[in-house]
Amino acid sequence: DQQVKQNSPSLSVQEGRISILNCDYTNSMFDYFLWYKKYPAEGPTFLISISSIKDKNEDGRFTVFLNKSAKHLSLHIVPSQPGDSAVYFCAAQLTGTASKLTFGTGTRLQVTL
Amino acid sequence: DGGITQSPKYLFRKEGQNVTLSCEQNLNHDAMYWYRQDPGQGLRLIYYSQIVNDFQKGDIAEGYSVSREKKESFPLTVTSAQKNPTAFYLCASSIGGASPYGYTFGSGTRLTVV
Repeated sequence: DQQVKQNSPSLSVQEGRISILNCDYTNSMFDYFLWYKKYPAEGPTFLISISSIKDKNEDGRFTVFLNKSAKHLSLHIVPSQPGDSAVYFCAAQLTGTASKLTFGTGTRLQVTL
Repeated sequence: DGGITQSPKYLFRKEGQNVTLSCEQNLNHDAMYWYRQDPGQGLRLIYYSQIVNDFQKGDIAEGYSVSREKKESFPLTVTSAQKNPTAFYLCASSIGGASPYGYTFGSGTRLTVV
């Protein structure tokens, strides 16, 4: 039972354009949603998060949007840079579950010149 | 510098052997986790620990064992009972509870069965 889904395994975007990564979830009780960035053979690094009581959070070039009615969130990267090329994982957290994170399967973003 | 250290980076195991992956953190985090990454399957939770001397099974605990004798350390043993141990293993820690900051991850251990 995949509670967090990233239906696009890969995405290619030109440098300078917007990258939009999508994530869907099934459990309406999730409290926080987080995005992690991962390079090959390295651990994921925290990128940005959003509380379930908000619908937008922005940090520099990165913005996360949350649509609770659709159980959907998205990560926007503007402008995209070659260094953004990585795998991006969406994750969700449920209060009272020892802060366990449930991860999506990831989307590989390639930013081309 | 505070962080989480996994060792070794690469590990080779013969079939039938047990191996132990090390995970140490100096972040003073209460909670620690082990995840496994396989291609196309994201990160799956093996075991987690909220406090010293206590740990719980995650979604794929069969064939693995852990201990949490010290706050800083959470080693993972991959036993011979694990049928498909070749994977990338990630250790993480957090302050515990719901947090907008999630986990801090180590750099991972690549385990290969030869």
